[in-house]
Amino acid sequence: NAGVTQTPKFQVLKTGQSMTLQCAQDMNHNSMYWYRQDPGMGLRLIYYSASEGTTDKGEVPNGYNVSRLNKREFSLRLESAAPSQTSVYFCASSEAFSRAKNIQYFGAGTRLSVL
Amino acid sequence: GNSVTQMEGPVTLSEEAFLTINCTYTATGYPSLFWYVQYPGEGLQLLLKATKADDKGSNKGFEATYRKETTSFHLEKGSVQVSDSAVYFCALTSNDYKLSFGAGTTVTVRA
Repeated sequence: NAGVTQTPKFQVLKTGQSMTLQCAQDMNHNSMYWYRQDPGMGLRLIYYSASEGTTDKGEVPNGYNVSRLNKREFSLRLESAAPSQTSVYFCASSEAFSRAKNIQYFGAGTRLSVL
Repeated sequence: GNSVTQMEGPVTLSEEAFLTINCTYTATGYPSLFWYVQYPGEGLQLLLKATKADDKGSNKGFEATYRKETTSFHLEKGSVQVSDSAVYFCALTSNDYKLSFGAGTTVTVRA
């Protein structure tokens, strides 16, 4: 099983450019998440989708938008990239948005640099 | 709100040494506790978990016990290998179902 697949793996943007990070899971999971990882700060939740058709803000949503395209796919969009968005982005999925079924499975990450 | 505090790294050990990574938490309700591991160039993967007080999670020689009285979930391994070199994250989920992560501890094991 591929699990959670993220594309691209690396990206360099100029300030003000836009881009979309793609994420797909093949585990038939209901819930999907986007995190950013910065040194010394662990992972911080940007947005999540508890189920197909719903999206909600996490801890650090400013500057981002998301789309839950279907049950498998959850994309993250940067409309106007800023240097502060230089980070490693991880997509994750879980069986459900519940305490009992919230084991999350992570993709390999996208390393983004904004110049 | 929920928060996780784990010992700062980096931690450097020799092979076969004993590893402990401290983790304490604050949470509303009755949280479930996790340790995730991130190997170089990869995403996070679940290492072990515990869902109620006094539960012990274990996997790959690692152990952690859910201590409600001290709000702790320390990770231990008796004899580390070079392949254990990774970043380790303590995390919890509680009433809001979201995962809250600690800052991560980088562990390097030397042969």
